[in-house]
Amino acid sequence: DAGVTQSPTHLIKTRGQQVTLRCSPKSGHDTVSWYQQALGQGPQFIFQYYEEEERQRGNFPDRFSGHQFPNYSSELNVNALLLGDSALYLCASSLAGLAKMSGELFFGEGSRLTVL
Amino acid sequence: AQSVTQLGSHVSVSEGALVLLRCNYSSSVPPYLFWYVQYPNQGLQLLLKYTSAATLVKGINGFEAEFKKSETSFHLTKPSAHMSDAAEYFCAVSGHTDKLIFGTGTRLQVFP
Repeated sequence: DAGVTQSPTHLIKTRGQQVTLRCSPKSGHDTVSWYQQALGQGPQFIFQYYEEEERQRGNFPDRFSGHQFPNYSSELNVNALLLGDSALYLCASSLAGLAKMSGELFFGEGSRLTVL
Repeated sequence: AQSVTQLGSHVSVSEGALVLLRCNYSSSVPPYLFWYVQYPNQGLQLLLKYTSAATLVKGINGFEAEFKKSETSFHLTKPSAHMSDAAEYFCAVSGHTDKLIFGTGTRLQVFP
């Protein structure tokens, strides 16, 4: 049973560029959440996608956007990159109905973005 | 609104010693509480969770945590540390949703 997979694992961009990160959820899961983990910090919630729509959003600017596809996979897009966007971006998946009872998320290994 | 505070950004113990990682929470609704572990260059792995059943929760790798409502705490313990326990540990809270609010983490070092 494949877990949550993310790509790419590492990437380097320069300020002002745009980046797209990809996530495939755990088999059977229908909800994808994205978190940003800056160096030495805990993960911060960016947004969550369910039924191809953004369902919840954290305190992140509009430069951060996402998409969910019919197969439940998801993309995170960041425009006009800033140095402060350098972080580990974690994707987490869950099953909507079950998550409301257990709250448990399954995390991928993350995409490490470095902005120069 | 929910939040968690992890006391101590670094904890060092000797192999075989008791591990105690502290977490206090704040929640406007009865909380779900979690401990996750993160090994270097990896994602987060669930250690254990509290979802309003037994207040003493047992997890993987010999870890356990006790929910104490009166103290708003959910401290993580392990009776005897192993070298392989060295990692970053995160406490998290949710308000019966699948959106987690994480603490800033505690780095556990285990010395031989």
